[in-house]
Amino acid sequence: SQQGEEDPQALSIQEGENATMNCSYKTSINNLQWYRQNSGRGLVHLILIRSNEREKHSGRLRVTLDTSKKSSSLLITASRAADTASYFCATDGDSNYQLIWGAGTKLIIKP
Amino acid sequence: EAQVTQNPRYLITVTGKKLTVTCSQNMNHEYMSWYRQDPGLGLRQIYYSMNVEVTDKGDVPEGYKVSRKEKRNFPLILESPSPNQTSLYFCASSYGETQYFGPGTRLLVL
Repeated sequence: SQQGEEDPQALSIQEGENATMNCSYKTSINNLQWYRQNSGRGLVHLILIRSNEREKHSGRLRVTLDTSKKSSSLLITASRAADTASYFCATDGDSNYQLIWGAGTKLIIKP
Repeated sequence: EAQVTQNPRYLITVTGKKLTVTCSQNMNHEYMSWYRQDPGLGLRQIYYSMNVEVTDKGDVPEGYKVSRKEKRNFPLILESPSPNQTSLYFCASSYGETQYFGPGTRLLVL
């Protein structure tokens, strides 16, 4: 079942600009994760934020979580061409091991 | 190197010809899962396994089988593939919340 919905579906920005993508979900969660997928390849875990956290940083990534609005955002600062990829949010399902995925945001960084 | 491997990476087959996609992980993870990815639909879980000999259906199990005889391996079996199973398939494993993905298997069923 699909819980997360990413917004926008696609985003194209100039290199050096910041990229923001959003994820909304429907039911209460214990944690939310963001993954990156380079074209046609396996997904790579970026960051996990727990339901009792509001913001988390990892390098150029900043994730926020608003449980009252059931939404999260991923900010990539100072974008690079290598950030071109699809980004997915995933929330925990019935157990910590099962993830419920959104459809993803396709990010294109123009040189 | 910790990794999840899948084979084959690319496969073209015909309707009805049984095939198996292998998945192996070297991280001693208990949990393994199979997903399919189709344009605009994100990742949909096919089957998952909590441990050896423990498997369960995901969201789209029809037309697929799995087995978990060893902790490291979790093969996906298509007994009689059909064109609607043309897709990109991913195997993943995890110990906790974070999942580690294989490189994907692109399957075309004619």
